[in-house]
Amino acid sequence: EAGVVQSPRYKIIEKKQPVAFWCNPISGHNTLYWYRQNLGQGPELLIRYENEEAVDDSQLPKDRFSAERLKGVDSTLKIQPAELGDSAVYLCASSLMWGIGGTDTQYFGPGTRLTVL
Amino acid sequence: DAKTTQPNSMESNEEEPVHLPCNHSTISGTDYIHWYRQLPSQGPEYVIHGLTSNVNNRMASLAIAEDRKSSTLILHRATLRDAAVYYCILRRFSGNTGKLIFGQGTTLQVKP
Repeated sequence: EAGVVQSPRYKIIEKKQPVAFWCNPISGHNTLYWYRQNLGQGPELLIRYENEEAVDDSQLPKDRFSAERLKGVDSTLKIQPAELGDSAVYLCASSLMWGIGGTDTQYFGPGTRLTVL
Repeated sequence: DAKTTQPNSMESNEEEPVHLPCNHSTISGTDYIHWYRQLPSQGPEYVIHGLTSNVNNRMASLAIAEDRKSSTLILHRATLRDAAVYYCILRRFSGNTGKLIFGQGTTLQVKP
């Protein structure tokens, strides 16, 4: 079974430029997550989708970040414009469902490493 | 969200057991204990989780103290491939919350 697919794996851009990351979750997984991981830190949740609906976007910097999950499958995370501090690894994860009494396992993709110059 | 405390780093020899400790003194009765690990240049990977009883799976064992204020992840026979950052996470579900909150984890080095 294919895992979570992310592209691109690496991206280098100049500050103030836009950038987008794409994620294809595991087939049949209703819940999709975007995380950001700064160097030497653990991942931090940016947004969680249940099917097409963003149900937890409290940590998403909405002035420059946006996300969508059309048709409840693939998802795109966008930054416009990018700032130097956005350099990080952006991870996508999916799970079959969310909650289930704490038993939902999240499967992570390899991430996109963003460097903003 | 309840916090966990883990050592920054640990070393182990290949083919020996490894015990990775985690303290969570403010755990509540409904908090699940999850362990994930992150190999170099990869996304985190689920290892194991539990609530009250000890748990075993093909990857590891989770030993939970009787008062649940601490737990230990046990790798029965470390291999070089087990070198990773191990995260101990408490998950509390209330309303729309219950997200994984990663700390800095324990970096495990495995020596041949």
